[in-house]
Amino acid sequence: ETGVTQSPTHLIKTRGQQVTLRCSSQSGHNTVSWYQQALGQGPQFIFQYYREEENGRGNFPPRFSGLQFPNYSSELNVNALELDDSALYLCASRDGQGGGNTIYFGEGSWLTVV
Amino acid sequence: AQSVTQLGSHVSVSEGALVLLRCNYSSSVPPYLFWYVQYPNQGLQLLLKYTSAATLVKGINGFEAEFKKSETSFHLTKPSAHMSDAAEYFCAVSEWSGYSTLTFGKGTMLLVSP
Repeated sequence: ETGVTQSPTHLIKTRGQQVTLRCSSQSGHNTVSWYQQALGQGPQFIFQYYREEENGRGNFPPRFSGLQFPNYSSELNVNALELDDSALYLCASRDGQGGGNTIYFGEGSWLTVV
Repeated sequence: AQSVTQLGSHVSVSEGALVLLRCNYSSSVPPYLFWYVQYPNQGLQLLLKYTSAATLVKGINGFEAEFKKSETSFHLTKPSAHMSDAAEYFCAVSEWSGYSTLTFGKGTMLLVSP
């Protein structure tokens, strides 16, 4: 049990649509990051939020955006969905920004774009 | 820039045999290193992490890993495989400071036969 919960667990969207994925972190975990895991690949870093401000982004276009809220919840929004966006999206949280702090992952949201 | 290479996309062992999963990293600064396990249709679970306290790190489920700076390696071992160890294993690297995030390898699927 990591204390990180994600919703929905599975969803199917049509190309061009928009999707919002949600995450609830452990109380006190003020750093949340999102990862995309395509089938057969390792997770790829999308972006990170610290105290409600984005402070890091991987190699993903601006149509991937996010929000972090004071109650330790967060969202990942993807606009103009493409077929290649089909993947498992993982939310991860930790207390602080230190590189050695344990990062806890949720179970993920499976997105299929058709 | 940091990177991780996991040798072997699949490793097969017999139950009771030694498990060895290889991981080599590249980092411009002293790294933190992690091993995560992912069971089918689940998120990532932390097995163990190296944060410079000791080069031999013991984790959950009988796994351990040794940090070898000269070889830039962090191989994962378990003396005796169990059927329940069958899963995908990911090695990841993070940096010491800043808004550190995880960079993952492509993963190694461990298959355990009776």
